[in-house]
Amino acid sequence: NAGVTQTPKFQVLKTGQSMTLQCAQDMNHNSMYWYRQDPGMGLRLIYYSASEGTTDKGEVPNGYNVSRLNKREFSLRLESAAPSQTSVYFCASSGKTGETYYGGYTFGSGTRLTVV
Amino acid sequence: KQEVTQIPAALSVPEGENLVLNCSFTDSAIYNLQWFRQDPGKGLTSLLLIQSSQREQTSGRLNASLDKSSGRSTLYIAASQPGDSATYLCAVNQAGTALIFGKGTTLSVSS
Repeated sequence: NAGVTQTPKFQVLKTGQSMTLQCAQDMNHNSMYWYRQDPGMGLRLIYYSASEGTTDKGEVPNGYNVSRLNKREFSLRLESAAPSQTSVYFCASSGKTGETYYGGYTFGSGTRLTVV
Repeated sequence: KQEVTQIPAALSVPEGENLVLNCSFTDSAIYNLQWFRQDPGKGLTSLLLIQSSQREQTSGRLNASLDKSSGRSTLYIAASQPGDSATYLCAVNQAGTALIFGKGTTLSVSS
């Protein structure tokens, strides 16, 4: 089925360890996003990539880096994990048709990350 | 800065009742508004997408309206069922950023 695929689904890290969350979409969307979801805080944007070759910071970028590897793939890296980065991470993508039609967002199933 | 608010935060209704979830946003310069459903421990499922030029969208028992000038959207659920129990999220899409979410309304439908 077409959509957004995230790996891994679950991960436990020790403080200071690094890891990369992978995301791929097969809908030929130009834009991709990384969000984190925390109880009481809702969904917050970490980074986004409006098109291949560009990335921009969102609301909570500290402690993260991203790479738009190609049009399909957008990865999120934690260089030195901290307990405050315990969260559920969602990747999403969206497309645009013509000048006026902005498509909806499609989300992956999420990565549940625990940093101990 | 765009802010999205959803009221109420939680709602409990008996099966069969019609209900309305509310969403308001502070900046009316949006491209579109999207309603999502999230089941506990799961991802986000898109329910309805309303473009800024549209007034409403319907899918089955769901109807979403948009009043861009007043910064409001409603999600109407007809004849609610226990399977409708979930958290419903409203989000707006605008220039220069990504989708901005409200904190959601958690709906519980009892049989």
